[in-house]
Amino acid sequence: DQQVKQNSPSLSVQEGRISILNCDYTNSMFDYFLWYKKYPAEGPTFLISISSIKDKNEDGRFTVFLNKSAKHLSLHIVPSQPGDSAVYFCAARFNSGGSNYKLTFGKGTLLTVNP
Amino acid sequence: DGGITQSPKYLFRKEGQNVTLSCEQNLNHDAMYWYRQDPGQGLRLIYYSQIVNDFQKGDIAEGYSVSREKKESFPLTVTSAQKNPTAFYLCASSSWTGSHSNQPQHFGDGTRLSIL
Repeated sequence: DQQVKQNSPSLSVQEGRISILNCDYTNSMFDYFLWYKKYPAEGPTFLISISSIKDKNEDGRFTVFLNKSAKHLSLHIVPSQPGDSAVYFCAARFNSGGSNYKLTFGKGTLLTVNP
Repeated sequence: DGGITQSPKYLFRKEGQNVTLSCEQNLNHDAMYWYRQDPGQGLRLIYYSQIVNDFQKGDIAEGYSVSREKKESFPLTVTSAQKNPTAFYLCASSSWTGSHSNQPQHFGDGTRLSIL
């Protein structure tokens, strides 16, 4: 059962426009969400995160929005640049209240920004 | 520079052999993790360790083993019992200051394991 879903395997946008990557989750016990960017044959790079007590977090061109009632988060990239072309993974942490710090990852969305 | 080093970048294994993947970090992080990535799939957790001399199974631990004798090192052994070992293996680490710590995991550049 996939608890973190990225339903769009790929997304293509023009340079300078907005990229919106979406992520849905099913477990209401997730309390912390992260976005990672990954280039081929490299490890994922942390981009931005958001706690479940917030609904928005912004860092430069990247903004993450969280809608807890819909169990949905999105990553907005404005303006998109060709260097943003990569696979983006959504991840969520389940807080069991103990020492559990496991992350559950979505399958990723391949973003292509065309010049 | 601080970071996570995985070696080698490419590794080949013969059928029936065990192979060990190296992961070293100099970030002074308490927690370390091993993930596996298959084509078109997300990252799946194999094992994780929050402190030295302690580790827990992740979601797909069968056929793998780990050790955590030093804070900076978390080697992963892919045993012959792992029936489908060909994959991209990623090591990660994070600081740990409690169950509510919002610290991201940072990843190495991975090791691609292939079966000859």
